[in-house]
Amino acid sequence: ETGVTQTPRHLVMGMTNKKSLKCEQHLGHNAMYWYKQSAKKPLELMFVYSLEERVENNSVPSRFSPECPNSSHLFLHLHTLQPEDSALYLCASSQVGHNYGYTFGSGTRLTVV
Amino acid sequence: KNEVEQSPQNLTAQEGEFITINCSYSVGISALHWLQQHPGGGIVSLFMLSSGKKKHGRLIATINIQEKHSSLHITASHPRDSAVYICAVPYSGGGADGLTFGKGTHLIIQP
Repeated sequence: ETGVTQTPRHLVMGMTNKKSLKCEQHLGHNAMYWYKQSAKKPLELMFVYSLEERVENNSVPSRFSPECPNSSHLFLHLHTLQPEDSALYLCASSQVGHNYGYTFGSGTRLTVV
Repeated sequence: KNEVEQSPQNLTAQEGEFITINCSYSVGISALHWLQQHPGGGIVSLFMLSSGKKKHGRLIATINIQEKHSSLHITASHPRDSAVYICAVPYSGGGADGLTFGKGTHLIIQP
């Protein structure tokens, strides 16, 4: 347990489904991130929230919609995904202004069928 | 955007060997991260360093800010060190802008 908890660990969804990924941290960090790791590709930054405001949206398609209701929780809402969106989605948190050290969650393995 | 090059991509070695993984980046940074990813996907932060050298057990990380280069060394390697090692730097150099990652080095240590 790293202090960053992601649920669910595995998710299979159809292309017409709507689902949400959840990330929770109780480390007192003030920044949270979504990353995507596709097969055979490096990790890619998707979204950054700092002090609950989105500060980075790395050209992610609108079928991915992030939400950060408070500094401890981060969601990724999924809608009408494509099979190529199948990947490992990782959440991370950090404390901006304090060494920028990162803590990662264990990830959600998403399969779109 | 910072660009990260990591080498080698794959490395197989015998138990006990000294391991070196290299990382170079394109934009000046506040700190560089070395991460470890095991099968199943979970990522553990090994080091965050902005200058010089850090050591934790059998792992040593060094960074040369002027040359924009870092190395991760493993001494007396063991099969449990088998994992993917990833170098990461701030997306645009610093601040809360997330990380950009190297492709990773898939390390296998054979008994």
